[in-house]
Amino acid sequence: DTAVSQTPKYLVTQMGNDKSIKCEQNLGHDTMYWYKQDSKKFLKIMFSYNNKELIINETVPNRFSPKSPDKAHLNLHINSLELGDSAVYFCASSQVTLAKNIQYFGAGTRLSVL
Amino acid sequence: DQQVKQNSPSLSVQEGRISILNCDYTNSMFDYFLWYKKYPAEGPTFLISISSIKDKNEDGRFTVFLNKSAKHLSLHIVPSQPGDSAVYFCAASRNSGNTPLVFGKGTRLSVIA
Repeated sequence: DTAVSQTPKYLVTQMGNDKSIKCEQNLGHDTMYWYKQDSKKFLKIMFSYNNKELIINETVPNRFSPKSPDKAHLNLHINSLELGDSAVYFCASSQVTLAKNIQYFGAGTRLSVL
Repeated sequence: DQQVKQNSPSLSVQEGRISILNCDYTNSMFDYFLWYKKYPAEGPTFLISISSIKDKNEDGRFTVFLNKSAKHLSLHIVPSQPGDSAVYFCAASRNSGNTPLVFGKGTRLSVIA
């Protein structure tokens, strides 16, 4: 019974394609995030949503469009994929009203753009 | 500009001994610090955290120490076990709610039986 689940786990695609990654959390949290772990292994924030509203967008190209249909889901759509988009993408969630910024992560989606 | 630094990319420790993982930060606005553990092909798993109002937090074999004046924190694992072998990430945030975590690059811990 996974708390934060992402699909797919692996994604291999050609440059120029459009792809989506889905994320769902069953923790009842009100905030969800997308992080990117690049080839240098840094985990960096991309987006943050609170109750379906975008609150953080860390200078990510507008080819990346997050969508939150409800507070349990945060999907990531990527248009016109580029080689540099190859990375591992992690979804996370937290409940900020608990006054501790503990974020729970999914298993990651490894995206390879060829 | 790395705001959170883990200067040791790897660490090897004998089973039963103490593992000490270090982390430095530069942003004085950070007031909440976390350690995550990551196995291959899995997401980071929360391990332990500490607020800036404390200098120590302990949970079983894991203890985190915070030295605010030095902007330094460390994770102690004692005794170390082979199952502790993983990559450990230090993270920091401003504990004001919807703030993202800023991660270090990670330290790969190998516990040798």
